[in-house]
Order: sequence, then C-alpha cells, then structure tokens
Amino acid sequence: EAGVAQSPRYKIIEKRQSVAFWCNPISGHATLYWYQQILGQGPKLLIQFQNNGVVDDSQLPKDRFSAERLKGVDSTLKIQPAKLEDSAVYLCASSSDPNTGELFFGEGSRLTVL
Amino acid sequence: EDQVTQSPEALRLQEGESSSLNCSYTVSGLRGLFWYRQDPGKGPEFLFTLYSAGEEKEKERLKATLTKKESFLHITAPKPEDSATYLCAVRATGNQFYFGTGTSLTVIP
Repeated sequence: EAGVAQSPRYKIIEKRQSVAFWCNPISGHATLYWYQQILGQGPKLLIQFQNNGVVDDSQLPKDRFSAERLKGVDSTLKIQPAKLEDSAVYLCASSSDPNTGELFFGEGSRLTVL
Repeated sequence: EDQVTQSPEALRLQEGESSSLNCSYTVSGLRGLFWYRQDPGKGPEFLFTLYSAGEEKEKERLKATLTKKESFLHITAPKPEDSATYLCAVRATGNQFYFGTGTSLTVIP
C-alpha cells in the first residue's frame, strides 16, 4: 500500500514570495491533516479536512496560509506571502478513522525562508 | 488551556539500560493519548493508542501506560535502533490532536 506522498521535499524562497505544497493521502482515507513542525518542536495542526470539507482550521494563519482539498483526495497548502518564521517542515497526514489516533504521515516538505 | 508536556527533552542511554519517558497532559475531555516515533527527516510513525487510565500497550521493547494525568513510555533493554524522537499526542473533545515537543532518545552501543 502506497504511503502519503508529499512534494516538494525541499523548498528555499525569499521572504514575501509564495510557495505551494502538495499532498496525496493514502487511498480511501477521508481525513487529511496539515501540520507545521518547527525545528525542535512538536507538530502543530494547521488544518484538518474530512473529505473535501474543513473540520478545523482554527490555528491556520488565514491572512497568509490557505489550503484546499478538491474532490476529497489531493490537497494543496499555500503560503503567500512567506515570512521568516514560516521556515519549518510541513507535514501531511491522513487517517481512515481519527478515533484510533493512527495518523499516517508523509515525509514532509522542508521550507526555508531567507 | 489544553496542554501536553514531555520530559525529559533529551535522554542518552547505554544499550540495555532501561528507562521511561513522561508525557503529562491537561485537556478537557480526553478522547485518547497517542505515542509516535519520529526519525530524522521523516514524518512521525504511529506506535500506540491509550484511551483510559490503567490501560497498557506493548510492542517489542516499548510499553505505554496511562494515568489520569500522565502517560509513560517504558523502554526495556533499548538497542541503538530505538534512537529517535518520541512524540506524545492527545485528542480532546474538540477533536484536535495536540502534540508535545518530544523526547529525543539516543541509545549508545
């Protein structure tokens, strides 16, 4: 079974530029999450989708971050304009049943903002 | 405010030297406590789910336990391949998953 796919793995941009990350979850997983993990910290939830609807985006900085999950499968996370403090690893995870706590994570997209 | 705190931040063990990692939490309406392992450059990998105080789960050299205020991840006779960051997460009534900052474990041969 294929795991969660993310791209790109690495991205370096200047501040105020824009960037987009893509995630393809495990087939059949209705729940999709985007997490931000700053070096030395635990993952912080940005947004949670159930199929193509948003369940929780309370910690998403909506003035610069946006995310969508068209057709309830792939998802894209966009940052525009980027700030220095956005340097982090952006992790996508999916789950067939969040009640179990078993989230399957991708390898992440590492963003460096200069 | 919901909070998850892990200790210690870092732990160095000799191979075969057993120890425990701690995860203390304050959440309203705990709906589950979860342990994950994260290797450098990788996403977290699920280990255990615990739902109620007194519950225990085991996998190879790892054993997770849960009380009303904290969870422990016991590592028995660790090997170098157990070196990783161990993350604790909780799920509260709002369905959010809150992760702790993790414990970085190094097992020295």
